[in-house]
Amino acid sequence: DTEVTQTPKHLVMGMTNKKSLKCEQHMGHRAMYWYKQKAKKPPELMFVYSYEKLSINESVPSRFSPECPNSSLLNLHLHALQPEDSALYLCASSRQFTGELFFGEGSRLTVL
Amino acid sequence: DQQVKQNSPSLSVQEGRISILNCDYTNSMFDYFLWYKKYPAEGPTFLISISSIKDKNEDGRFTVFLNKSAKHLSLHIVPSQPGDSAVYFCAASALIQGAQKLVFGQGTRLTINP
Repeated sequence: DTEVTQTPKHLVMGMTNKKSLKCEQHMGHRAMYWYKQKAKKPPELMFVYSYEKLSINESVPSRFSPECPNSSLLNLHLHALQPEDSALYLCASSRQFTGELFFGEGSRLTVL
Repeated sequence: DQQVKQNSPSLSVQEGRISILNCDYTNSMFDYFLWYKKYPAEGPTFLISISSIKDKNEDGRFTVFLNKSAKHLSLHIVPSQPGDSAVYFCAASALIQGAQKLVFGQGTRLTINP
């Protein structure tokens, strides 16, 4: 199993809603990532979890709240988002120390 | 501050010829360099990587060259095939706080013409 699975594939939410994006991998990777990608732009790192602990937070606004319940799961909780937060949110996992990330297909988020 | 740069937004190559995609970086702390391929509405797919201690890595039709003194790497695809048409991202990786932090370039859209 070399897949990173993200749900939902598409999400539309209002600015007052609370929703969550989910990510799952069963490759035994101990590092997991959230990236944000806007149209015609490269993926931008948001958060990194290493061994289920938050290692890197790229100064992401608190309306995005990551959670790593166990080594296979990664969530991104969303609350009070803005329309400019509309983007493709990518989850990835990696073996340690190689930089090779395995990406999911992404969750396309639209904030109205 | 763009640490990884791909200066060509697009490249068009004839089928069967060589495609050369270029990438420059500024941070000497990067320890791995990678190329990812991306189709629309999909996540990036890993293609090939190279450690900072090497200058060449080859995998089938794909070869990555690293010139550390020039802080430059390139991806060669030969022969190019129509299925290679996609956006290619160069990425550089550094170990920070126990995790690999990957920084992406802006991407180059490669089109292979039959």
